[in-house]
Amino acid sequence: EAEVAQSPRYKITEKSQAVAFWCDPISGHATLYWYRQILGQGPELLVQFQDESVVDDSQLPKDRFSAERLKGVDSTLKIQPAELGDSAMYLCASSLTVPGAGRPDTQYFGPGTRLTVL
Amino acid sequence: AQKVTQAQTEISVVEKEDVTLDCVYETRDTTYYLFWYKQPPSGELVFLIRRNSFDEQNEISGRYSWNFQKSTSSFNFTITASQVVDSAVYFCALSGNGGFKTIFGAGTRLFVKA
Repeated sequence: EAEVAQSPRYKITEKSQAVAFWCDPISGHATLYWYRQILGQGPELLVQFQDESVVDDSQLPKDRFSAERLKGVDSTLKIQPAELGDSAMYLCASSLTVPGAGRPDTQYFGPGTRLTVL
Repeated sequence: AQKVTQAQTEISVVEKEDVTLDCVYETRDTTYYLFWYKQPPSGELVFLIRRNSFDEQNEISGRYSWNFQKSTSSFNFTITASQVVDSAVYFCALSGNGGFKTIFGAGTRLFVKA
């Protein structure tokens, strides 16, 4: 069964350092999402890609976060510099959804990257 | 604005008991979609069900059942004869017809004791 891959699974870093997370969506899925999940809360969308284009990044803290999906396949989320409040689970998801198709397709999630900032 | 409320933070039951997880949503969209996901301790969200706003028929899948009521803006999830493996955090989510951004509730942590 096809899965969304993420790496690393765990990352510990010090404040002010740079970190990067990688996601490989299910093959053929045009839409890719990055979520942040703070302990005890539900996932919150950071950025949504349709192929290589950003569809929604309204909740992405652009002063320190960046995301790219250069070839419309895998994606990287970067934080520079990391702050204590960035400690969270970072989840990647993908779906077949094409905006304008009339309905959202199911999102399939990867195992996440748990980030701890010291 | 869209909102999903899961008022139950934690629920603890004994194995074989039935348990219902509540979900109340708010949206101005006429067309929308509701989801339930399960998040076991491993962290990965597992898709359980998707319903659209035009289909109020209740659904049953094995020990799982869902009750969708537009009149009360609720989409509740019942596990019949709970098992220890059902222990997880369960999230209800809403996606409207404007870009399909998905809003998640805060989740309900279910403990099933043997």
